[in-house]
Amino acid sequence: QKEVEQNSGPLSVPEGAIASLNCTYSDRVSQSFFWYRQYSGKSPELIMSIYSNGDKEDGRFTAQLNKASQYVSLLIRDSQPSDSATYLCAVNDNDMRFGAGTRLTVKP
Amino acid sequence: GAGVSQSPSNKVTEKGKDVELRCDPISGHTALYWYRQSLGQGLEFLIYFQGNSAPDKSGLPSDRFSAERTGGSVSTLTIQRTQQEDSAVYLCASSFWRRGQTNTGELFFGEGSRLTVL
Repeated sequence: QKEVEQNSGPLSVPEGAIASLNCTYSDRVSQSFFWYRQYSGKSPELIMSIYSNGDKEDGRFTAQLNKASQYVSLLIRDSQPSDSATYLCAVNDNDMRFGAGTRLTVKP
Repeated sequence: GAGVSQSPSNKVTEKGKDVELRCDPISGHTALYWYRQSLGQGLEFLIYFQGNSAPDKSGLPSDRFSAERTGGSVSTLTIQRTQQEDSAVYLCASSFWRRGQTNTGELFFGEGSRLTVL
């Protein structure tokens, strides 16, 4: 059984702070990892993908992958109220599996 | 259309009735996924179609659930003898995947079909 685990939160940070979201996965052979954002009442949308160990930066977002620890994280710098959403970690072994999501609230 | 289209957007049914949910993926996308999302919960994987390969049905919660994909395009998710616990939003997503290449993982989601079983 492939498992993707996330802290459900909620996570609350003040505007301008760094938000840190974490995810672990059970299938050691997984190769592709993703973060999706889902606004309330909307469908998920892809914000980051990462395939190699280390960091990948895209604007205010940084994804971090550690395959040895089976751990993926997402950092959001200079958090904005518009970042308030549920963040879903996903692991793709062709059947894309999602974690339960972490609800983030950024307070002005 | 340009995006993934799902219908109906809302469906209210009585316990014990059968329902069909339809997904029309983005043209040319070879992979199609069905997920279920209960209120405040994550995405529960149901089934995955890839080209002409046999579908991965490992996520279907019971034999009341079935899905087919005709002509490699439109998919229908059928729930027989619906139960109240089937109430959820059913999301369909599609992506383009070529054998031998790492799947980009960019799933394009439809707006979902909200099912309410009374």
